[in-house]
Parts: sequence; C-alpha cells; structure tokens
Amino acid sequence: NAGVTQTPKFQVLKTGQSMTLQCAQDMNHNSMYWYRQDPGMGLRLIYYSASEGTTDKGEVPNGYNVSRLNKREFSLRLESAAPSQTSVYFCASSEPRFRDGYGYTFGSGTRLTVV
Amino acid sequence: KQEVTQIPAALSVPEGENLVLNCSFTDSAIYNLQWFRQDPGKGLTSLLLIQSSQREQTSGRLNASLDKSSGRSTLYIAASQPGDSATYLCAVRGAAGNTGKLIFGQGTTLQVKP
Repeated sequence: NAGVTQTPKFQVLKTGQSMTLQCAQDMNHNSMYWYRQDPGMGLRLIYYSASEGTTDKGEVPNGYNVSRLNKREFSLRLESAAPSQTSVYFCASSEPRFRDGYGYTFGSGTRLTVV
Repeated sequence: KQEVTQIPAALSVPEGENLVLNCSFTDSAIYNLQWFRQDPGKGLTSLLLIQSSQREQTSGRLNASLDKSSGRSTLYIAASQPGDSATYLCAVRGAAGNTGKLIFGQGTTLQVKP
C-alpha cells in the first residue's frame, strides 16, 4: 500500500545511546517532516525537508539531526538520547501546491522510551 | 507565534448525538486549516481541509467551518457513532512560505458510548 513507512515501531534506549529513526514514502512527495507527540501537547515539528537536498529546523530541533537521503527517505537521528526525548515520533510527507492545499500523509509512528 | 488551542480536551457523548469540537488559533494569517483523526496507537488521518478563502467543508457526517477573522474553526459531527471514538486534532498552516509546516492543537479525545 502506498504511504509512509516508519521503522522501528517501538524502541527502548538507555540514556546516552544513539539511534536513527527511518522513514520512507512512496508517493513521490517533495516535502517530508518529523514530528513528536507528547501527552497534552499535540504534535510539534522537529525538522522538515521542503525538498530533496534541503532540511530546516522546526519548533523543537535540539538533540536531533536529520538526513534527507533521497526523495523517498528522511531519517531522524538521536546522537545521545535523553529521557526528555521519550515520545511518539511521526514522519509525514506532503506535496505542496498553492492552489490545492496539502495532502498530508502520516506514518504510524515510532514509540521511543529513553530510560 | 501561532498557537492552536482545542476545547474541550475530552468529550463523552451517547451514540446518536450531534456534537461540536472547537479549535482556535491566535494568528489569522493562515493558508489553510486541517482536521485530523487519530486512533489509539495509530498515525493521523486527514479528515477535512479548509482553505483560508473558504468558510466550510463537508464530508459525509462531518462539517468543518472556518472563521479566519475570529481565529476559530469547528468540527461538527452529526449522528455520532461508537466508531467515531478517537482523538481529533486541528492544525493550521501559516500564510508565509511554501514549506507545508503545520501547527497542531492538543487534540480532543472523543468517546461515543453505545
């Protein structure tokens, strides 16, 4: 099925460990995003990539890095995990069109726990 | 800085009731507003998108309205069903730029009791 695929679905890390969250979309969308969702706070944008080869910080980028590997893939890396990064992470993609608005597609999420 | 607020945080209604979910935003310079549905442990599914020039959008039993000048949107659900139980999120996209970034509200968790 067409859509956004995130791996892994669940992960437990120890404080200080590193890991990379993977995201891939097969809809040929130009823009990709990483959000985190915390209880009572909705979704907050971590990083985004408006097009292949570009990345920009969102609302809460500290402690994260991203790589837009190609048009399909956008990864999120935690270099030294902290308990404050315990969250559910969502990847999304969209095709920005001024006239039609945005067709946003979200992945199913990665539940990360840092102990 | 754009802020999006959803009230109430949680809502429980008996099956068959009509209900309204509220969303407010502080900066009226928006490009569009979207309503999403999120089931427990799942990603987000887009329900309705309203462009800044539109007043409402309808899909089946769902109707979303937008009053940009007052910074408000409502999601009306007619004849609610247990299958409508989920968290509903609204999100706005700012008018500046073309990056597609969304600012989300905290969500309203709806429970429809049989």
